[in-house]
Amino acid sequence: DARVTQTPRDKVTEMGQEVTMRCQPILGHNTVFWYRQTMMQGLELLAYFRNRAPLDDSGMPKDRFSAEMPDATLATLKIQPSEPRDSAVYFCASGLSTGGFEQFFGPGTRLTVL
Amino acid sequence: GENVEQHPSTLSVQEGDSAVIKCTYSDSASNYFPWYKQELGKGPQLIIDIRSNVGEKKDQRIAVTLNKTAKHFSLHITETQPEDSAVYFCAAAGSSNTGKLIFGQGTTLQVKP
Repeated sequence: DARVTQTPRDKVTEMGQEVTMRCQPILGHNTVFWYRQTMMQGLELLAYFRNRAPLDDSGMPKDRFSAEMPDATLATLKIQPSEPRDSAVYFCASGLSTGGFEQFFGPGTRLTVL
Repeated sequence: GENVEQHPSTLSVQEGDSAVIKCTYSDSASNYFPWYKQELGKGPQLIIDIRSNVGEKKDQRIAVTLNKTAKHFSLHITETQPEDSAVYFCAAAGSSNTGKLIFGQGTTLQVKP
């Protein structure tokens, strides 16, 4: 049963600390998306990659957020320094560009910045 | 850019009744429209999708209809069950062919036993 995995599932940190979230896309998928979910804003697209190359990161606050794909099996989203307004659930999703637009979501990382 | 509006924001039905959620989109070139179900504490799960060359698609108790002229699409759930209670999101893939999805704001569906 192929699934997107995300770690950690929960993260509590203090303002100013660095936070790194990790995602393992479904094996063989070549497109990875990072979303942020809050009650107020719903599902916001932060960044996405195809074949490990960033296609669009316009949804990310550039001064503190960064996203990378060190290899095809790992995507990372980093926040440095973190702020209380970054508290949200962060989802990773993966898909296959040649298979249409289906995206499959991971379980999310719940981030709380105190 | 693409914008997706979803209504209603909350919906309460009795078990066995039907539920309908509606979405409108702005980009006439959009060609892919998925629906996701999100249960508490979990990620959104793709439940059904439709492409622009099809007007209706059905999978057991779930159906989706698409009206490209009016730029709206709907999710229909028949014979609702308590386990259908969740947040439902519609989305549309923009015309850029990047696979980027624009999501609606979500509908919280409550099915009362």
